[in-house]
This record gives sequence, structure tokens and C-alpha cells, in this order.
Amino acid sequence: KAGVTQTPRYLIKTRGQQVTLSCSPISGHRSVSWYQQTPGQGLQFLFEYFSETQRNKGNFPGRFSGRQFSNSRSEMNVSTLELGDSALYLCASSPAGTGNYEQYFGPGTRLTVT
Amino acid sequence: AQSVTQLGSHVSVSEGALVLLRCNYSSSVPPYLFWYVQYPNQGLQLLLKYTSAATLVKGINGFEAEFKKSETSFHLTKPSAHMSDAAEYFCAVSDVNTGNQFYFGTGTSLTVIP
Repeated sequence: KAGVTQTPRYLIKTRGQQVTLSCSPISGHRSVSWYQQTPGQGLQFLFEYFSETQRNKGNFPGRFSGRQFSNSRSEMNVSTLELGDSALYLCASSPAGTGNYEQYFGPGTRLTVT
Repeated sequence: AQSVTQLGSHVSVSEGALVLLRCNYSSSVPPYLFWYVQYPNQGLQLLLKYTSAATLVKGINGFEAEFKKSETSFHLTKPSAHMSDAAEYFCAVSDVNTGNQFYFGTGTSLTVIP
């Protein structure tokens, strides 16, 4: 099976712009989670989508949003970019169910905001 | 609330020496525990997981971890370090109350000295 794929791998944006990142989960996985990874804050949970519905949400401002399509592919959007949004954004997929299912991570999208 | 503490943000060991990376968790219900490894510019790869079966869990690349409920710990060990083990290691916890939301520790950077 193909792994989790994320596009693009690298992105440079300017403050105030918006950005959309894409994630394709492992075939058959219905849950997609997004994380922000920075040297200072570590891995922080953004949100999780399951069957096109947001099931869990982390503590991020409303500028961060996401959605999931019927084929389980997911996108996250960040509007009005700030310098502090520079980070590695990781997507993870897992099968249906909760708690005891491991998450499989993609390679991430490195976002740089200038 | 669930949380994970990884003691030691940096650990150095000699090649061939024992690797011990510490993880303590807090959870109000039986947890599911995971160890992930991250190599530079890559996503996270699952090393092993504990889901209430055997307390000693064996993973990939010769790593294993032991769940100790009385100590709320899930330390990761490897008898003999290899140069290729140099990476960032993350402990994570989830449980039935968090759905599929993982809580990650801040990570431990492992250096292997030749």
C-alpha cells in the first residue's frame, strides 16, 4: 500500500497570504489528523477528520481550518499567514476507530512565512 | 487531561551501548502508548505500540518498551545502539476518551557516538 502523501513538500509564502496543504491518506483509512511541528512547541495537534466530519480540534485560532472529502483526502487551510506559522505540517492517517489505532504519518509540508 | 513527559531532550550514547529513552504519561483511563522515530526532514515512523496486551512490547529495529502502570512509564530501550539510530524519538498517548487524538511528548534527540 502506498503511504500517506502530502503536497506540496515545501512552500514559501508571505505574511498575510493564505495557503492550502493537501494530504492523501493510506487507502482504506478514514481518519486524517493534522499536526504542526516547530522547534519551540514540538508537535501540536490541529484537528482530526473522520468521514468528512471534524471529530477533534486542538487549540489553534480560527485561521486554521480543514476539511475532508468523500475519498478521505484532506486539506488544511491557513489564512492571513503570520511569521509564527512557519513550521512543518504533518498529516497522519489511521483506520476507522479510536484510541488504539496507530497513526501513519506523511513526510510533511515545510511552510516558510516571510 | 492526558499528557506525556519525556525526560532528557538530548541523549548521547556510544555505538554498541544501551539506549534508554524515558517516557512518563498521565491518563485517567487505560492508555494506548506509542513510540515514533523521526529522521531529519521526514515524517514520523511508528516504532512500537502498547494497547493493553503484553506489557513488554517489541518493535522494529531492535527497540522494545515496557509498560509499567505503577510508575506510569513506557520507557524505550535498545540493547546495542547503532549509528543509524541517531534521530528524534517521540512518545505519544491516546485513550478512549481522546478519540483518535494523540498527545506527544516534546521529543528526545538521540546522538550515537562512534
